[in-house]
Amino acid sequence: KAGVTQTPRYLIKTRGQQVTLSCSPISGHRSVSWYQQTPGQGLQFLFEYFSETQRNKGNFPGRFSGRQFSNSRSEMNVSTLELGDSALYLCASSDIDVTSTDTQYFGPGTRLTVL
Amino acid sequence: GNSVTQMEGPVTLSEEAFLTINCTYTATGYPSLFWYVQYPGEGLQLLLKATKADDKGSNKGFEATYRKETTSFHLEKGSVQVSDSAVYFCALSGGAGSYQLTFGKGTKLSVIP
Repeated sequence: KAGVTQTPRYLIKTRGQQVTLSCSPISGHRSVSWYQQTPGQGLQFLFEYFSETQRNKGNFPGRFSGRQFSNSRSEMNVSTLELGDSALYLCASSDIDVTSTDTQYFGPGTRLTVL
Repeated sequence: GNSVTQMEGPVTLSEEAFLTINCTYTATGYPSLFWYVQYPGEGLQLLLKATKADDKGSNKGFEATYRKETTSFHLEKGSVQVSDSAVYFCALSGGAGSYQLTFGKGTKLSVIP
């Protein structure tokens, strides 16, 4: 099976702009999670989608949003970018259903730089 | 809430040395435990996992045992190689119905020839 893919791999934006990142999960996986990785804060959970519904959300401001489509692909959006949003954004997919915990498989990430 | 504490690096070892990276956790319920590895410029790769107490996860010579009594999941390898140089993350998920991963800060390992 193909792995988790993320596009684009690199992005450069300026403060105040908005950005959309895309994630295609492993075929058959219905859960997609997003994480932010920074040198200072490490890996932090943003949100998780399962069957087009947001099931969990981390402690991030409302500028961070996401959605999942019927084919399980997911997008996350960051509006009004700030310098501190510069990070590696990682997407992970899993075959988690509502009753069990399963392994999350990560994509290569999107490196966002905000100038 | 859930939390993971792992030894901070960097850790520098000579090739063929023994590796231990300590990881302890705090969680409600019965979490699953993971070790992920990140090579420069890449995303996270699952190294091994354990889903219940006393389970041992193993892969590529790495091992970790789920110790509920000490809330630990230490990573070990008997003989490291230069190619093992990477950042290692301990993580947990599950427990109290939460599927999100909670990560430790990561431990950077450098193996020198």
